[in-house]
Amino acid sequence: EPEVTQTPSHQVTQMGQEVILRCVPISNHLYFYWYRQILGQKVEFLVSFYNNEISEKSEIFDDQFSVERPDGSNFTLKIRSTKLEDSAMYFCASSVRGANYGYTFGSGTRLTVV
Amino acid sequence: GENVEQHPSTLSVQEGDSAVIKCTYSDSASNYFPWYKQELGKRPQLIIDIRSNVGEKKDQRIAVTLNKTAKHFSLHITETQPEDSAVYFCAAVPNFGNEKLTFGTGTRLTIIP
Repeated sequence: EPEVTQTPSHQVTQMGQEVILRCVPISNHLYFYWYRQILGQKVEFLVSFYNNEISEKSEIFDDQFSVERPDGSNFTLKIRSTKLEDSAMYFCASSVRGANYGYTFGSGTRLTVV
Repeated sequence: GENVEQHPSTLSVQEGDSAVIKCTYSDSASNYFPWYKQELGKRPQLIIDIRSNVGEKKDQRIAVTLNKTAKHFSLHITETQPEDSAVYFCAAVPNFGNEKLTFGTGTRLTIIP
């Protein structure tokens, strides 16, 4: 079964540092997403990406966040200057036809900001 | 925006019994309602979904019902097994073309052997 792959699985970073979280969506999927989940809480939407541009973003996705699809396979989330409250599990997801047809989530990157 | 409420937050049932998890949503334009199962430290996995033109859907021991008028949808697991123990999240997509899944707060289901 095709999978969404995320790297690294765990990243520890100093507050104020930049981090890049990487994702390889399923190859024939056209819609890409980032979500985060603070420990013990629900999954929260960050951003959706289609046709090489952001289609929707949440209030959480402020100027410190950016996404990029640098080539035909990778989809990245960059946090420019990490804060303690950015510590969470970050999930990438992809969908072949959009949110109404279901997502496949990656295994997540646990980001710890110290 | 869409708001999804989920109850209960925790649920313990004896193995073999049924479990029911309920969600309500606020946006009457929502038209797609998936359910995800998340085991500890793992990714959410889609287990069943329902669209607004359908009232009920079943897949083996799992069923989902939707009441559009009341804006309720529920997950039913019958003949529960220990491997059903996990956190379950309901979600809603506010309207076609909106790419955001709004998740409920989750239900921790524990199956007691």
